[in-house]
Amino acid sequence: GQQVMQIPQYQHVQEGEDFTTYCNSSTTLSNIQWYKQRPGGHPVFLIQLVKSGEVKKQKRLTFQFGEAKKNSSLHITATQTTDVGTYFCAGQSMNTGFQKLVFGTGTRLLVSP
Amino acid sequence: DAGVTQSPTHLIKTRGQQVTLRCSPKSGHDTVSWYQQALGQGPQFIFQYYEEEERQRGNFPDRFSGHQFPNYSSELNVNALLLGDSALYLCASSLRRTGRDQPQHFGDGTRLSIL
Repeated sequence: GQQVMQIPQYQHVQEGEDFTTYCNSSTTLSNIQWYKQRPGGHPVFLIQLVKSGEVKKQKRLTFQFGEAKKNSSLHITATQTTDVGTYFCAGQSMNTGFQKLVFGTGTRLLVSP
Repeated sequence: DAGVTQSPTHLIKTRGQQVTLRCSPKSGHDTVSWYQQALGQGPQFIFQYYEEEERQRGNFPDRFSGHQFPNYSSELNVNALLLGDSALYLCASSLRRTGRDQPQHFGDGTRLSIL
């Protein structure tokens, strides 16, 4: 079945440093979504990418969707302590009529002040 | 505008028992999906309901079943509970539009512990 892997599993940065997490799918995706989950919380939707090669920005966050629609990345510039949490990518496969999301393994980010 | 609500928030059961978890979707949403999230892992898709029918199912045994009601709310039932069923169970709702995938909104989850 479809698998979505993320690297790294965990990253600890100092406040102000940059952070990137990478997401790779075993199958071509129709779209990819990114979620953030704070400790003890539930996943919160951040963004959805649909087009091949698409790049979207949200303040300090930059999201990319690969040309082959099998990989994606999330880059955070100048991290803040409020960025702490686990970041998940979640993909929907081509030809899927209904919204089954396959979540990645997640990258846990810790930011020290 | 209420978001996705789930009940109960916490639940403790013993092996072999049965459990029912409940979910009310965000106002205006018509599709409900259920996920199981074990500690330290990403959510795993259980199944999705639309128009009161199960539309997709993940790799979960028949012990996991569900239902969607005419008001779009949903229940997740798990029979013959195993220790491995201990997890956070998340409900997500969305609006289905033909030809356009809509983001899912998650509830706070039900934390199920099996003793």
